This record gives sequence, structure tokens and C-alpha cells, in this order.
Amino acid sequence: NAGVTQTPKFRVLKTGQSMTLLCAQDMNHEYMYWYRQDPGMGLRLIHYSVGEGTTAKGEVPDGYNVSRLKKQNFLLGLESAAPSQTSVYFCASTGWGDQPQHFGDGTRLSIL
Amino acid sequence: QQPVQSPQAVILREGEDAVINCSSSKALYSVHWYRQKHGEAPVFLMILLKGGEQKGHEKISASFNEKKQQSSLYLTASQLSYSGTYFCGTERNGNNRLAFGKGNQVVVIP
Repeated sequence: NAGVTQTPKFRVLKTGQSMTLLCAQDMNHEYMYWYRQDPGMGLRLIHYSVGEGTTAKGEVPDGYNVSRLKKQNFLLGLESAAPSQTSVYFCASTGWGDQPQHFGDGTRLSIL
Repeated sequence: QQPVQSPQAVILREGEDAVINCSSSKALYSVHWYRQKHGEAPVFLMILLKGGEQKGHEKISASFNEKKQQSSLYLTASQLSYSGTYFCGTERNGNNRLAFGKGNQVVVIP
């Protein structure tokens, strides 16, 4: 079982470039999340999804878009990258009820 | 609303005990605890639901006081493997959406 897989693991972008981060889970989970983690800030929720075709804003959604066209995949897009978006991005998923969130290994993104 | 975790950092010797805390200003449905080692993903430790039931994981246990909107994590007879940053995630209404605190850094030395 792979669990939650994030692609890519590392990326360097120039300001203004766009990119998409992919998250895939094989646990048939309904809920999926994108977080960003900055030093001393903990995990902050960017966007989340409660099922295929649904998305919702989290705590820090500005500058990001998401899509969940298939239940197992949750995509995070940066349309015009900014240095303030330099961070480690974690994807997580969970099922119905009182269950833990399972995290991917993270994507380390640097915007120059 | 982001929960407040305290103390920010703890240094303890192998075999010693420690308590770390997570407090919220809002009523809570559940509290989740995760541990993250440097450069790795957060790993789930336990969930505490309303009712104050104490849960355990290895020699790590936790409690949840819903009246005080506070959870405490107890590290008993600490091992070197307990080193890492501990995050609490609070859930307000059973919607599977967590707000994470800034973390408690725990360092266990020989």
C-alpha cells in the first residue's frame, strides 16, 4: 500500500511561473487536504475536498487553486508563483468518521 | 482558530517524563496529536474525542478536558525516538477539518 503519494518531491520555480502539485491516495478516502508548512508556523490549511468534484477554501487559499476530478487525486495549482509561496507542501487524506489524517512525504518548493 | 501549544520547546534526558499542552479558545469536538521528525511527514499518534477519555500510544498518553478546551500529551520514561515536533490538531464540529498549532519541539538526550 502506497498510502499518500506526492509528486514532485522538490521543485525550484522562478517568480511568475506556474506549476501543479499532484497528490494521490489509494485508501479510498473521501477527504483530502493541502497544507503548507513554514518554519515556526505549524501546518496551515490551503484548500480541502470532501469528495470527488468538491473543493473548499481553508485558512490560506490566496494564490492557489485546486481540483478533484477523481476521488483518488487532489491537485494544487500555483498560477503565478511568488517568493512568499516558498514552503513545504503536505497533502493528507482521511475517511469518514473519527479517523486520523494520513500525510504524504511533502513537496519542497522554492520560488526565486 | 489556531490552538496554542506550550511549552514551545522541551529538553529532557532519556527516561524522564514531560507534559506538553494544547489549548483552544473555542469548544472542541476532538483533538488529534501528530509527531514530526525533521524532514519527514507528520505521523499520527492518537485522537481524543469529547468525553475526556485518555488514550495511549507506546508510553505516550493523552487527555482531553473539554470544559477547559485543553489537551495534554504525557511522555513517560522518554526514549531517544520521542524526539521531534509534536503538533496538535483541533476539530470544532466533527467536520474532519483540523486547525494545527505551531508545535512543541521535544529533544531527548542520552
